Amino acid sequence: DSGVTQTPKHLITATGQRVTLRCSPRSGDLSVYWYQQSLDQGLQFLIQYYNGEERAKGNILERFSAQQFPDLHSELNLSSLELGDSALYFCASSVGQGHGYTFGSGTRLTVV
Amino acid sequence: AQSVTQPDIHITVSEGASLELRCNYSYGATPYLFWYVQSPGQGLQLLLKYFSGDTLVQGIKGFEAEFKRSQSSFNLRKPSVHWSDAAEYFCAVGFMEYGNKLVFGAGTILRVKS
Repeated sequence: DSGVTQTPKHLITATGQRVTLRCSPRSGDLSVYWYQQSLDQGLQFLIQYYNGEERAKGNILERFSAQQFPDLHSELNLSSLELGDSALYFCASSVGQGHGYTFGSGTRLTVV
Repeated sequence: AQSVTQPDIHITVSEGASLELRCNYSYGATPYLFWYVQSPGQGLQLLLKYFSGDTLVQGIKGFEAEFKRSQSSFNLRKPSVHWSDAAEYFCAVGFMEYGNKLVFGAGTILRVKS
């Protein structure tokens, strides 16, 4: 157990739908990062939050959004889902710059 | 633009043989450097990291990596591979002006022959 908790582990949904992925960071970590892993794109950085504030944005689609709550858990919202959004979505947390990330076990999203 | 290259998509080694996985980065300064391992269906586990100081760093599971500034490389090594090392390995680079954002290489899949 890495200490980073992601729910759900698996999600199957239809095109056009909206889903919410949840992440609880490791105790003491203020930063949360979201990554998308797919066969063709590899690990792509989506977005980072630090203590409730957005800090960095990567290749995140406009249909996707995220937030970090006062208790530091984070949610990634994916809407108007397309087949190409099927991927593993990882959350990671970090205590600070240069310390590397601790990854959760991911949410496997399948859009049918 | 900052980039991370893992030139080998697949590598196959015999059990007990030595291993070296290559990683090169493109960046003007010294970044933070990491190696992660991912087993099928699992998350990524940190093997080792380099921030500064001794350019040879030791990690978990008997892995080590050497930072070579002149070659912009951070290659991962293991003297004797075990069958349980079969997994996908990712090099990651943190670029200071981008906060703690990590950029990952495409990964190298390691197969171990018995």
